[in-house]
Amino acid sequence: ETGVTQSPTHLIKTRGQQVTLRCSSQSGHNTVSWYQQALGQGPQFIFQYYREEENGRGNFPPRFSGLQFPNYSSELNVNALELDDSALYLCASSFRETQYFGPGTRLLVL
Amino acid sequence: GESVGLHLPTLSVQEGDNSIINCAYSNSASDYFIWYKQESGKGPQFIIDIRSNMDKRQGQRVTVLLNKTVKHLSLQIAATQPGDSAVYFCAEILNDYKLSFGAGTTVTVRA
Repeated sequence: ETGVTQSPTHLIKTRGQQVTLRCSSQSGHNTVSWYQQALGQGPQFIFQYYREEENGRGNFPPRFSGLQFPNYSSELNVNALELDDSALYLCASSFRETQYFGPGTRLLVL
Repeated sequence: GESVGLHLPTLSVQEGDNSIINCAYSNSASDYFIWYKQESGKGPQFIIDIRSNMDKRQGQRVTVLLNKTVKHLSLQIAATQPGDSAVYFCAEILNDYKLSFGAGTTVTVRA
């Protein structure tokens, strides 16, 4: 176990709704990254937060947004959900380069 | 597009044999690589990493080889066990912060 936790484990939403996913970092880690993993593919980088500031962003639209809190936990928010947003959402925490992943949140958009 | 890719999407191996999983990368400036194992319904699990100033690194039953000349890395698993059945990803660090993953190789261990 990595010590990275995510909630909820599963979620079902309808198109157009908004969703918030949560992540608790491993103790001592000050950086959190979020990834989207479609079925049968590798994870795709969404963005990273370091000390509560966005540190980099992948090729995702602005309706994907995030927050990092003083205790280094993090949220991923997705507005105006689309069917293609159905995926496993992973967060990973790190202190230096090595990123350790949580179990993910499985999101299904109907 | 992705800068890291794997040569084969699937690998079937007999229990007790050694497994070799290959990965090619395209960014010659990449200096840090990680292998992850992902079991069904779980997040990727760190296996081993290697920096570009190394050719080889060994862990418990695993070895990673890096060939910078041809931009290729491989993961070798010794004495493959049923618990090694999973999807294996290689990933590289880009721009000092983001991981770029390949599509993965599904390893199936035959009893």
